[in-house]
Amino acid sequence: AQSVTQPDIHITVSEGASLELRCNYSYGATPYLFWYVQSPGQGLQLLLKYFSGDTLVQGIKGFEAEFKRSQSSFNLRKPSVHWSDAAEYFCAVGARGSSYKLIFGSGTRLLVRP
Amino acid sequence: DVKVTQSSRYLVKRTGEKVFLECVQDMDHENMFWYRQDPGLGLRLIYFSYDVKMKEKGDIPEGYSVSREKKERFSLILESASTNQTSMYLCASFRDRALDLGNEQFFGPGTRLTVL
Repeated sequence: AQSVTQPDIHITVSEGASLELRCNYSYGATPYLFWYVQSPGQGLQLLLKYFSGDTLVQGIKGFEAEFKRSQSSFNLRKPSVHWSDAAEYFCAVGARGSSYKLIFGSGTRLLVRP
Repeated sequence: DVKVTQSSRYLVKRTGEKVFLECVQDMDHENMFWYRQDPGLGLRLIYFSYDVKMKEKGDIPEGYSVSREKKERFSLILESASTNQTSMYLCASFRDRALDLGNEQFFGPGTRLTVL
């Protein structure tokens, strides 16, 4: 069965510092991978997705993620964090084939120090 | 842009009440979803619908039912609300049947339900 692990419940970084949020998945083949962001009081917004091809994926708001098959990981990165990036981030995995179901991780809450 | 709206942002109900959560999408998507979001658990799928009057159970359907009479509207029903159904409920829609076509799920802003 598919599963997604986000090992960090909370992360605090200073504004301007770099960021890496971890995501590990369990799936028998190469999955579809997603990162969503949820700002306070809002729904989820897609940051980026990996379906195939280049393993380094660029997203919105200056985020990127790298798919590493050998480590079953899809970590999210940003070189310089802005205060407005404070939010909750969710990694999700979807199965190839006919399924449209997503499995979400438990989320990582990002706090940004001024 | 796809817009997914939910009828209420905040809702307070009493134990045993029947509760309706409404979701509307404006992009003619076939698929619609109801998730429940709880701290430390992420999003869990309650029900989804891939066509009008069609529905399938997700991972945690117990205590919930759904209705999809029109393509743009998907309702989540709590027949007899209980305190353990206090949660954030998120609706989403999706255009195609499979993820293979490179599409994404679009989410509404959520309804925070409190059951007293």
